[in-house]
Order: sequence, then structure tokens, then C-alpha cells
Amino acid sequence: EVQLVESGGGLVQPGGSLRLSCAASGFTFSSYEMNWVRQAPGKGLEWVSYISSSGSTIYYADSVKGRFTISRDNAKNSLYLQMNSLRAEDTAVYYCAREGVYANPDVWGQGTTVTVSS
Amino acid sequence: NFMLTQPHSVSESPGKTVTISCTRSSGSIASNYVQWYQQRPGSSPTTVIYEDNQRPSGVPDRFSGSIDSSSNSASLTISGLKTEDEADYYCQSYDSSNHWVFGGGTKLTVL
Repeated sequence: EVQLVESGGGLVQPGGSLRLSCAASGFTFSSYEMNWVRQAPGKGLEWVSYISSSGSTIYYADSVKGRFTISRDNAKNSLYLQMNSLRAEDTAVYYCAREGVYANPDVWGQGTTVTVSS
Repeated sequence: NFMLTQPHSVSESPGKTVTISCTRSSGSIASNYVQWYQQRPGSSPTTVIYEDNQRPSGVPDRFSGSIDSSSNSASLTISGLKTEDEADYYCQSYDSSNHWVFGGGTKLTVL
């Protein structure tokens, strides 16, 4: 079964850091581009970051550029999101999503919740 | 960059047909494919339409997608509404760098 499982969310103070992980299984992880997408409470979906299958190409949304770092370990079938200088507006459910053959998200994880609050 | 604007909510009765619009603020709606996702409360999104009008396997043919260049919008139409269709629906396309752009979402109520 194709599956993505996120972990690492939690409560963090403004200015703090958190590292999210996404464990992939059921498919050849190293062949797929991956993304992080977030959803603030009661709000819509927002693309956060992209990483190519090899990790050589990376993009960020302007809202997180300079604060978040995406990475992957193909040997461990894992995707990561290092989040620094967190703000209240970063509070959201964070999903990892596989980029399918049509360049759209075709597999989503269950999400992990990040709450930034003092 | 552009925005995708959806109605905040729509409602319709079981058995009826509903259409959800997704209007692109700038640039042609036809320049990039549009996808549609269904998200039930507490769940992750799932694809109901990809590449404007294609249905993934397992999605009933009650779901259909289209684009209209004259209104610069995409539409998701659900016919023969069922209570299980009640969910949030999001359209998605791509910006000039091929990054995902999502609409704000539409809450569908089937009552």
C-alpha cells in the first residue's frame, strides 16, 4: 500500500524550531518529487515547499523562504521539513504530498499538527 | 502570481446537481491544467478530477470537470448528489514556476 506518514508536529513557542518527518512506503520514493502543503485551522491548502527526486532542486513559498528547509534521504525513504523562526501564522496541519505523473499531488499523508503559541 | 477564487459555500439537495466554480485572477485558465480535491472533515485531500476533466479510477462518473475560457474559470460538477459528497472541495493549478496554487476551498452541504 502506498503510504506517507508524517510526524514531528507539536506545540512550539514563537521563534522556536521544529523538524517534521514524512516516512514513505509502498512505492519507489527516490523516483518521486515531493512537496509539503499546509492548512491553517479552518483555512484552505497552501503549498509550502518542493524537492526534486534527487534533492538537487528545491523551491519555497515566499511565506517560508529563509526560515524553512526541505530535505530528503532516499536511502531512508524519508522527507523532512526543518522549520526555524516559527511564527503564529505557521500554525497549521502540515501534509507531505507526492507529486504524481500529472505533476499534481496524488498521494497525501495524514498530516501532522504544528501549533506556534506562547 | 495569480489567485484561484472559489465560492465559500454551496448547498443542494440529494439527487440534484451542483457546480463549483474556480476563477483564475490573471493569465489564462487554459494555460495550466486544473485539478479538484475532495477533503472530508478530519481527512486528507483526495483527487476527484485531474487535468481539467479526467477522473481517477474509483471516482464515480457523477463527478465531472470542465474549463471555460470565456469566464477564465474551471468548474466541478457533481450530479446525483449523495450525502457522502458533503465535503470541502479545492481547485488547484500551477504558477509560472510550476508550483501548486490552490483555491480557497468550497464547503459543499448536501441537505
